[in-house]
Amino acid sequence: NAGVMQNPRHLVRRRGQEARLRCSPMKGHSHVYWYRQLPEEGLKFMVYLQKENIIDESGMPKERFSAEFPKEGPSILRIQQVVRGDSAAYFCASSPPGQGLGYTFGSGTRLTVV
Amino acid sequence: DQQVKQNSPSLSVQEGRISILNCDYTNSMFDYFLWYKKYPAEGPTFLISISSIKDKNEDGRFTVFLNKSAKHLSLHIVPSQPGDSAVYFCAASVRGGSQGNLIFGKGTKLSVKP
Repeated sequence: NAGVMQNPRHLVRRRGQEARLRCSPMKGHSHVYWYRQLPEEGLKFMVYLQKENIIDESGMPKERFSAEFPKEGPSILRIQQVVRGDSAAYFCASSPPGQGLGYTFGSGTRLTVV
Repeated sequence: DQQVKQNSPSLSVQEGRISILNCDYTNSMFDYFLWYKKYPAEGPTFLISISSIKDKNEDGRFTVFLNKSAKHLSLHIVPSQPGDSAVYFCAASVRGGSQGNLIFGKGTKLSVKP
């Protein structure tokens, strides 16, 4: 039973380009969460999705960032027109319905904007 | 404004001794607390949690203590092992343990020396 899979592990983008981060939840998990960790900081919640629905996006920046979790396929975190301040580790987590908050994290995608 | 604070960036402990990691919070609405362990280049791994209706939860070598009046919790690891060397994050939620977002501290790096 594979864990939460994130790809790519490392992503380098030039300023102004788009970044697409993918997250495949564990089998049977229909809830996905995205967190961002800036250097020397803790993880910061971005968005919580269920299949085809955004449940809580209170942590998402209002511009340039979007997330989706389609009926089929992985969850995608999309960052348009990246800036240097977007450089961070982005972690995805998943859980089955009703499990609670001890969800399983992936290994993360480290985004570097040059 | 940091709602979850881990004031010790690092802690060094001898193998076999007790490790005590501390966490303070400011939001009295938090009702569920978790500890995560994180190795370099990996995602956080859930360790142990506690509901605000309890003051102690134990799982093997790991015990979490909650002092609501002081808004303080601690993680005790006994006995400490070299494999416990990692960054430990304290996290809190206002959702009563149901799904939602977590507020993380900045982490404490534990080093267990043989």
